[in-house]
Amino acid sequence: QVTLRESGPALVKPTQTLTLTCTFSGFSLRSSGTCVNWIRQAPGKALEWLALIDWDDDKYYTPSLKTRLAISKDTSNNQVVLTMTNMDPVDTGTYFCARSKGWYPYYHEFGLDVWGQGTTVTVSS
Amino acid sequence: DIQMTQSPSSLSASVGDRVTFTCRSSDNIRRYLNWYQQKPGQAPKLLIYDTSNLQSGVPSRFIGNGSGTDFTLTITSLQPEDFATYHCQQTFSTPPSNFGQGARLEI
Repeated sequence: QVTLRESGPALVKPTQTLTLTCTFSGFSLRSSGTCVNWIRQAPGKALEWLALIDWDDDKYYTPSLKTRLAISKDTSNNQVVLTMTNMDPVDTGTYFCARSKGWYPYYHEFGLDVWGQGTTVTVSS
Repeated sequence: DIQMTQSPSSLSASVGDRVTFTCRSSDNIRRYLNWYQQKPGQAPKLLIYDTSNLQSGVPSRFIGNGSGTDFTLTITSLQPEDFATYHCQQTFSTPPSNFGQGARLEI
Protein backbone atom coordinates (compact mmCIF):
# COMPACT_ATOMS: atom_id res chain seq x y z
CA GLN A 1 0.00 0.00 0.00
CA VAL A 2 1.34 3.38 -1.04
CA THR A 3 1.07 6.12 1.56
CA LEU A 4 2.50 9.59 2.06
CA ARG A 5 2.33 11.75 5.17
CA GLU A 6 3.29 15.38 5.58
CA SER A 7 4.72 16.80 8.77
CA GLY A 8 5.90 20.20 9.89
CA PRO A 9 5.01 23.21 12.02
CA ALA A 10 1.43 24.37 12.11
CA LEU A 11 2.43 27.96 12.78
CA VAL A 12 5.34 30.01 11.48
CA LYS A 13 6.10 33.68 11.81
CA PRO A 14 6.54 36.02 8.86
CA THR A 15 10.08 35.99 7.41
CA GLN A 16 10.79 32.57 8.95
CA THR A 17 11.72 29.48 6.95
CA LEU A 18 9.21 26.65 6.68
CA THR A 19 10.48 23.08 6.60
CA LEU A 20 8.07 20.32 5.64
CA THR A 21 8.78 16.60 5.50
CA CYS A 22 6.97 14.04 3.38
CA THR A 23 7.44 10.51 4.68
CA PHE A 24 6.33 7.82 2.28
CA SER A 25 6.01 4.06 2.09
CA GLY A 26 5.04 1.45 -0.45
CA PHE A 27 7.32 2.74 -3.20
CA SER A 28 10.93 3.72 -3.71
CA LEU A 29 12.35 6.97 -5.00
CA ARG A 30 15.12 4.89 -6.52
CA SER A 31 12.70 3.51 -9.11
CA SER A 32 12.96 5.06 -12.55
CA GLY A 33 10.01 7.31 -13.33
CA THR A 34 9.06 7.91 -9.71
CA CYS A 35 8.65 11.46 -8.41
CA VAL A 36 7.43 13.21 -5.30
CA ASN A 37 5.66 16.54 -5.62
CA TRP A 38 4.58 19.31 -3.25
CA ILE A 39 1.30 21.12 -3.86
CA ARG A 40 -0.41 23.71 -1.71
CA GLN A 41 -3.89 25.14 -1.40
CA ALA A 42 -4.75 28.43 0.26
CA PRO A 43 -8.13 28.44 2.03
CA GLY A 44 -10.90 28.31 -0.57
CA LYS A 45 -8.41 28.62 -3.42
CA ALA A 46 -7.03 26.58 -6.27
CA LEU A 47 -4.36 23.93 -6.03
CA GLU A 48 -0.88 25.26 -6.71
CA TRP A 49 1.92 22.92 -7.72
CA LEU A 50 5.15 23.93 -5.98
CA ALA A 51 7.98 21.50 -6.62
CA LEU A 52 9.03 18.08 -7.79
CA ILE A 53 12.00 15.80 -7.22
CA ASP A 54 12.54 12.74 -9.35
CA TRP A 55 14.31 9.42 -8.86
CA ASP A 56 17.44 10.85 -10.49
CA ASP A 57 17.53 13.82 -8.09
CA ASP A 58 16.39 16.30 -10.74
CA LYS A 59 14.44 19.13 -9.17
CA TYR A 60 11.85 21.54 -10.55
CA TYR A 61 10.03 24.49 -9.03
CA THR A 62 7.14 26.71 -9.89
CA PRO A 63 8.70 29.85 -11.42
CA SER A 64 6.96 32.36 -9.15
CA LEU A 65 8.44 30.77 -6.01
CA LYS A 66 11.68 29.35 -7.37
CA THR A 67 13.93 31.64 -5.34
CA ARG A 68 12.25 30.63 -2.08
CA LEU A 69 11.93 26.87 -2.50
CA ALA A 70 14.30 23.97 -2.08
CA ILE A 71 13.41 20.30 -2.35
CA SER A 72 15.59 17.35 -1.37
CA LYS A 73 15.27 13.65 -0.76
CA ASP A 74 16.55 11.11 1.73
CA THR A 75 16.05 7.90 -0.16
CA SER A 76 17.25 5.67 2.65
CA ASN A 77 14.62 7.03 5.01
CA ASN A 78 11.91 7.45 2.36
CA GLN A 79 11.56 11.17 2.94
CA VAL A 80 11.33 14.29 0.83
CA VAL A 81 11.88 17.69 2.41
CA LEU A 82 10.61 21.03 1.16
CA THR A 83 11.89 24.32 2.54
CA MET A 84 10.32 27.67 1.82
CA THR A 85 12.09 30.81 2.94
CA ASN A 86 10.76 34.22 3.89
CA MET A 87 7.29 33.05 4.77
CA ASP A 88 4.41 35.53 4.43
CA PRO A 89 0.77 35.40 5.54
CA VAL A 90 -0.23 34.75 1.91
CA ASP A 91 1.59 31.41 2.21
CA THR A 92 -1.01 30.21 4.70
CA GLY A 93 -2.72 27.06 3.53
CA THR A 94 -2.62 23.29 3.34
CA TYR A 95 0.51 21.71 1.94
CA PHE A 96 0.29 18.30 0.29
CA CYS A 97 2.88 15.88 -1.01
CA ALA A 98 1.92 13.48 -3.75
CA ARG A 99 3.53 10.82 -5.92
CA SER A 100 3.65 10.91 -9.67
CA LYS A 101 5.14 8.59 -12.25
CA GLY A 102 6.63 9.79 -15.47
CA TRP A 103 9.66 11.07 -17.33
CA TYR A 104 10.62 14.59 -18.30
CA PRO A 105 8.75 16.55 -19.53
CA TYR A 106 5.69 14.42 -18.84
CA TYR A 107 6.18 13.89 -15.14
CA HIS A 108 2.46 14.23 -14.47
CA GLU A 109 1.04 12.46 -17.50
CA PHE A 110 -0.37 9.67 -15.33
CA GLY A 111 -1.49 12.06 -12.63
CA LEU A 112 -0.65 12.68 -9.02
CA ASP A 113 -1.93 9.26 -8.10
CA VAL A 114 -1.43 9.11 -4.34
CA TRP A 115 -1.62 12.08 -1.98
CA GLY A 116 -0.86 12.65 1.64
CA GLN A 117 -3.61 14.01 3.87
CA GLY A 118 -1.99 17.46 3.94
CA THR A 119 -0.62 19.63 6.69
CA THR A 120 -2.02 23.03 7.52
CA VAL A 121 0.41 25.92 7.87
CA THR A 122 -0.56 29.32 9.23
CA VAL A 123 1.78 32.27 8.83
CA SER A 124 1.17 34.83 11.53
CA SER A 125 3.09 36.87 14.04
CA ASP B 1 3.00 29.13 -18.55
CA ILE B 2 -0.16 27.47 -19.72
CA GLN B 3 -3.22 28.74 -17.88
CA MET B 4 -6.24 26.57 -17.13
CA THR B 5 -9.77 27.95 -16.81
CA GLN B 6 -12.67 25.91 -15.53
CA SER B 7 -16.36 26.62 -16.05
CA PRO B 8 -18.74 26.89 -14.46
CA SER B 9 -17.07 27.67 -11.14
CA SER B 10 -20.00 26.08 -9.34
CA LEU B 11 -22.96 23.99 -10.31
CA SER B 12 -26.08 22.86 -8.48
CA ALA B 13 -27.55 19.50 -9.37
CA SER B 14 -29.55 16.62 -7.97
CA VAL B 15 -28.91 12.95 -7.49
CA GLY B 16 -29.43 11.18 -10.78
CA ASP B 17 -28.60 14.23 -12.91
CA ARG B 18 -25.99 14.36 -15.65
CA VAL B 19 -23.50 17.21 -15.31
CA THR B 20 -20.59 18.47 -17.38
CA PHE B 21 -17.64 20.61 -16.38
CA THR B 22 -15.38 22.34 -18.86
CA CYS B 23 -11.66 23.03 -18.65
CA ARG B 24 -9.98 25.28 -21.18
CA SER B 25 -6.24 25.70 -21.63
CA SER B 26 -4.50 28.81 -22.92
CA ASP B 27 -2.49 26.74 -25.36
CA ASN B 28 -2.70 23.41 -27.14
CA ILE B 29 -2.03 20.64 -24.62
CA ARG B 30 -3.02 17.78 -26.91
CA ARG B 31 -4.60 15.27 -24.51
CA TYR B 32 -2.40 15.93 -21.49
CA LEU B 33 -5.16 16.72 -19.04
CA ASN B 34 -6.04 15.19 -15.69
CA TRP B 35 -9.08 15.53 -13.43
CA TYR B 36 -9.23 15.33 -9.63
CA GLN B 37 -12.06 15.21 -7.13
CA GLN B 38 -11.68 16.89 -3.75
CA LYS B 39 -14.05 16.72 -0.81
CA PRO B 40 -13.93 19.20 2.08
CA GLY B 41 -11.02 18.58 4.41
CA GLN B 42 -9.54 15.91 2.17
CA ALA B 43 -6.74 15.63 -0.32
CA PRO B 44 -7.59 15.56 -4.01
CA LYS B 45 -8.19 12.19 -5.59
CA LEU B 46 -7.11 11.38 -9.13
CA LEU B 47 -10.10 10.50 -11.31
CA ILE B 48 -8.92 10.68 -14.91
CA TYR B 49 -5.53 11.00 -16.61
CA ASP B 50 -4.66 11.73 -20.24
CA THR B 51 -8.11 13.21 -20.87
CA SER B 52 -10.13 10.02 -20.76
CA ASN B 53 -8.37 7.25 -18.85
CA LEU B 54 -10.09 6.29 -15.63
CA GLN B 55 -7.83 5.82 -12.65
CA SER B 56 -8.18 2.40 -11.08
CA GLY B 57 -11.28 2.13 -8.91
CA VAL B 58 -13.04 5.18 -10.35
CA PRO B 59 -16.64 4.48 -11.39
CA SER B 60 -17.48 4.47 -15.09
CA ARG B 61 -20.03 7.27 -14.64
CA PHE B 62 -17.04 9.66 -14.81
CA ILE B 63 -16.25 10.40 -18.45
CA GLY B 64 -13.47 12.62 -19.73
CA ASN B 65 -13.22 13.99 -23.24
CA GLY B 66 -11.51 16.61 -25.35
CA SER B 67 -8.24 17.54 -26.98
CA GLY B 68 -6.22 20.61 -27.80
CA THR B 69 -7.60 23.40 -25.64
CA ASP B 70 -11.08 22.24 -24.66
CA PHE B 71 -11.87 19.42 -22.29
CA THR B 72 -14.89 18.13 -20.42
CA LEU B 73 -15.62 16.00 -17.40
CA THR B 74 -19.09 14.48 -17.44
CA ILE B 75 -20.68 12.68 -14.54
CA THR B 76 -23.64 10.60 -15.61
CA SER B 77 -26.28 9.82 -13.01
CA LEU B 78 -24.91 11.76 -10.02
CA GLN B 79 -24.51 9.89 -6.78
CA PRO B 80 -24.53 11.50 -3.30
CA GLU B 81 -20.79 10.93 -2.94
CA ASP B 82 -20.06 12.90 -6.13
CA PHE B 83 -20.81 16.28 -4.57
CA ALA B 84 -17.33 17.76 -4.31
CA THR B 85 -14.93 20.14 -6.04
CA TYR B 86 -13.35 19.10 -9.33
CA HIS B 87 -9.94 20.28 -10.52
CA CYS B 88 -8.31 19.97 -13.92
CA GLN B 89 -4.52 19.86 -14.40
CA GLN B 90 -2.51 20.25 -17.57
CA THR B 91 0.46 17.92 -17.89
CA PHE B 92 1.77 18.87 -21.33
CA SER B 93 4.08 21.72 -20.50
CA THR B 94 5.56 20.64 -17.20
CA PRO B 95 7.05 21.55 -14.96
CA PRO B 96 5.32 23.68 -13.80
CA SER B 97 2.04 21.84 -13.77
CA ASN B 98 -0.92 24.19 -13.54
CA PHE B 99 -4.36 23.47 -12.17
CA GLY B 100 -7.64 25.13 -12.94
CA GLN B 101 -9.34 27.16 -10.25
CA GLY B 102 -11.70 24.33 -9.34
CA ALA B 103 -15.40 23.76 -9.90
CA ARG B 104 -17.76 23.06 -7.04
CA LEU B 105 -20.65 20.65 -7.46
CA GLU B 106 -23.42 21.31 -4.95
CA ILE B 107 -26.64 19.58 -4.16
